[in-house]
Amino acid sequence: QSALTQPASVSGSPGQSITISCTGTSSDVGGYDFVSWFRQHPGRAPKLMIFDVSNRPLGVSTRFSGSKSGNTASLTISGLQAEDEADYYCGSYAGGGTHVFGGGTKLTVL
Amino acid sequence: QVQLQESGPGLVKPSQTLSLTCSVSGGSIRSSTYCWTWIRQHPGKGLEWIGYIYYNGTTSYNPSLKSRVTISVDTSKSHFSLRLNSVTAADTAVYYCARGTNYGHYEYWGQGNVVTVSS
Repeated sequence: QSALTQPASVSGSPGQSITISCTGTSSDVGGYDFVSWFRQHPGRAPKLMIFDVSNRPLGVSTRFSGSKSGNTASLTISGLQAEDEADYYCGSYAGGGTHVFGGGTKLTVL
Repeated sequence: QVQLQESGPGLVKPSQTLSLTCSVSGGSIRSSTYCWTWIRQHPGKGLEWIGYIYYNGTTSYNPSLKSRVTISVDTSKSHFSLRLNSVTAADTAVYYCARGTNYGHYEYWGQGNVVTVSS
């Protein structure tokens, strides 16, 4: 069970859109439609932003969207805002009741 | 609103056992829908899934930690616990408890408990 692969960092200007990728294998991301995305501000607990690939929990902005193609899932944030600057983690069901996370991506809003 | 709160020592000596408890409020721990999960984050690193337990005692563990981990639940006290044996400095991390489903969906998290392994 290896960690999912995310880019170490991405950046964008306010108002722009960015996409963060999350690459796994057919045993996790590619095998199930159970990918989640989390946002984490420094010193805070992670917050669920997307679950089951593309679903938003109540209260999460429609600026956040998720998708998946093969073994790679993606999180897109449109209309970047300063508050979006944070670390983002993907997670996926990996079969047998287990779960795996990505290494995290630092989003910088320029 | 479901709330989770971790508690336990912040310092553990090498080779000893790390023990943490997560208290659940605002919702019933006795739900067949949700699993009660431990997740950790090494300093400056990503998240690592440790394992979960359902109220009936059904568990699942990270294969890389399985030999050292035990998660238990006490429904009468509405809390669940983590025990990690034979700790080393590599177990130094922030330990989070969370409510999720079998497939993830970790919507509620505790604030995190910093644990340092050092003599």
